[in-house]
Amino acid sequence: QQQVRQSPQSLTVWEGETAILNCSYEDSTFDYFPWYRLFPGESPALLIAIRPVSNKKEDGRFTIFFNKREKKLSLHITDSQPGDSATYFCAASDDYAQGLTFGLGTRVSVFP
Amino acid sequence: EAAVTQSPRSKVAVTGGKVTLSCHQTNNHDYMYWYRQDTGHGLRLIHYSYVADSTEKGDIPDGYKASRPSQENFSLILELASLSQTAVYFCASSDAGNQDTQYFGPGTRLLVL
Repeated sequence: QQQVRQSPQSLTVWEGETAILNCSYEDSTFDYFPWYRLFPGESPALLIAIRPVSNKKEDGRFTIFFNKREKKLSLHITDSQPGDSATYFCAASDDYAQGLTFGLGTRVSVFP
Repeated sequence: EAAVTQSPRSKVAVTGGKVTLSCHQTNNHDYMYWYRQDTGHGLRLIHYSYVADSTEKGDIPDGYKASRPSQENFSLILELASLSQTAVYFCASSDAGNQDTQYFGPGTRLLVL
């Protein structure tokens, strides 16, 4: 059973639009939610992260919205650029397990 | 300068053969991890280590062994490689455990024939 679910699997937006990536989780003990970005041929890299004490985290054009009650979060990429084209992974962890539990990823394509 | 390096970057192995993937970090991090990436499965944790000479099982450890001979080095060993182990393998390190930023290596693309 997938502990962290992401949707959609792939997403295409035009340059300047807002891309919305969704993530949900099962385990109520998860208390740290990072998003990693993977460009083809490169390494996953931390993009932005949130803890449940907040319901919003913003970093430039990237914003996480978090709903603890519904166990859902979303990543918004505003003013999308072709350079944002990549696979975005939602992940989760808690104090008890080591390592991160990743979702399957959302492949984002931004066309000029 | 890359802080997490992996070798080899790609490898073709035969079914039943032994494969060793190596990872080296210069971050001075205590925690190191091995993940595999497959289409349709995202990234899944195989083994991790929080101190030299000790390793722990992750979510999918079957068919894999790990070795942490020093703080800087973490190896993943496939004693009897199988077709299902064809994947991209990523090593990562972090300073303070699962809620700290993980720094990933460039990945090793393994093809088992």
